Amino acid sequence: GENVEQHPSTLSVQEGDSAVIKCTYSDSASNYFPWYKQELGKRPQLIIDIRSNVGEKKDQRIAVTLNKTAKHFSLHITETQPEDSAVYFCAASPYNNNDMRFGAGTRLTVKP
Amino acid sequence: DTEVTQTPKHLVMGMTNKKSLKCEQHMGHRAMYWYKQKAKKPPELMFVYSYEKLSINESVPSRFSPECPNSSLLNLHLHALQPEDSALYLCASSQDFGRGRVETQYFGPGTRLLVL
Repeated sequence: GENVEQHPSTLSVQEGDSAVIKCTYSDSASNYFPWYKQELGKRPQLIIDIRSNVGEKKDQRIAVTLNKTAKHFSLHITETQPEDSAVYFCAASPYNNNDMRFGAGTRLTVKP
Repeated sequence: DTEVTQTPKHLVMGMTNKKSLKCEQHMGHRAMYWYKQKAKKPPELMFVYSYEKLSINESVPSRFSPECPNSSLLNLHLHALQPEDSALYLCASSQDFGRGRVETQYFGPGTRLLVL
């Protein structure tokens, strides 16, 4: 089955700086890669996703890049704000079923 | 309605109790999921229903019994749980995969379960 690795496990940045979180996956059948943000005590919420036919996607301060050859994808947050503080999970899902696997998560802290 | 709802929000049960968790969505999604999330860990997939049929069971112990009465509802029946089963149980839904395209999963708020 799919194995998703995520780094770093914790990340602390100053407000206004950029944050980058990286994930690798093992199953070449995976073709959908969402990123979820989970605040303490809340549900995981989708913030951005990318499919394997696209190399990069951007939504305001958030961008995701995908390198299918190397089997890795990254989340980039620019101009970070304290409200960006949360746990971020990457995930990978194969094209032929609903078996989505999560990375271990990154706890992002944005210091004001 | 663009939300997945779950009841109850919190549940405390003894090891001999029987209880049920409920999940509902009205987005017309045909795939529904149960995940278990322990503190400081990612969600772990337990079950997937596709068109009201169980399509994935991740070797979950039989003390957890899922049920999908219709395309909008998903239940998780609990019996004889252990203290280590205490966790946040998340429900999610999505359009079903098809034509080589996997769809986004939307999560409910979860039920925080404590087994004493």
